[in-house]
Amino acid sequence: AQTVTQSQPEMSVQEAETVTLSCTYDTSESDYYLFWYKQPPSRQMILVIRQEAYKQQNATENRFSVNFQKAAKSFSLKISDSQLGDAAMYFCAYLLYNNNDMRFGAGTRLTVKP
Amino acid sequence: DAGVTQSPTHLIKTRGQQVTLRCSPKSGHDTVSWYQQALGQGPQFIFQYYEEEERQRGNFPDRFSGHQFPNYSSELNVNALLLGDSALYLCASSLGFLHDQPQHFGDGTRLSIL
Repeated sequence: AQTVTQSQPEMSVQEAETVTLSCTYDTSESDYYLFWYKQPPSRQMILVIRQEAYKQQNATENRFSVNFQKAAKSFSLKISDSQLGDAAMYFCAYLLYNNNDMRFGAGTRLTVKP
Repeated sequence: DAGVTQSPTHLIKTRGQQVTLRCSPKSGHDTVSWYQQALGQGPQFIFQYYEEEERQRGNFPDRFSGHQFPNYSSELNVNALLLGDSALYLCASSLGFLHDQPQHFGDGTRLSIL
């Protein structure tokens, strides 16, 4: 079974500081995508960053970067220079190459303190 | 450029009733996926439609059915509603069902079952 685990139900960070959200997943497959989505109170899921499993280089999108450890099946998200607008639920997700059943973790609620 | 739009925003039904939720994909997109997000959990994949056919289905009973129209819009129908069907229903669209194209999510429909 493919599962995604986010072990931190809640995290807090001071504005302008850096925070790391954890995610582990379980699969026997070698070809897949990993995602981090942000869901603010408006409910819309917004793609933050995407990583393809065959790429060794960690994906980066402006202040957001990941630490992808394929052997350890770990996919953490680092948010640098945190802003008030970063406050939201963050979901880690996993998708096999030839499958449309995207699996999500239970989410981490991030609070940003001014 | 309109994004993914869902209607209605919020719906209240009673047990045993039937409900239809609607989704218009982002302009240029032809694939629609539906997800159920229970309170405090990550989204769960219900099914995906492409070329007016159900391409893949998650672990949901036959009470959940869908349709895709020639203009790529989609409906999610749920029959014989149960209290456990109370959730946020998210629609996501993409171009093709190849995974190199990211999904764009709508704001969801909040379904409450009394």
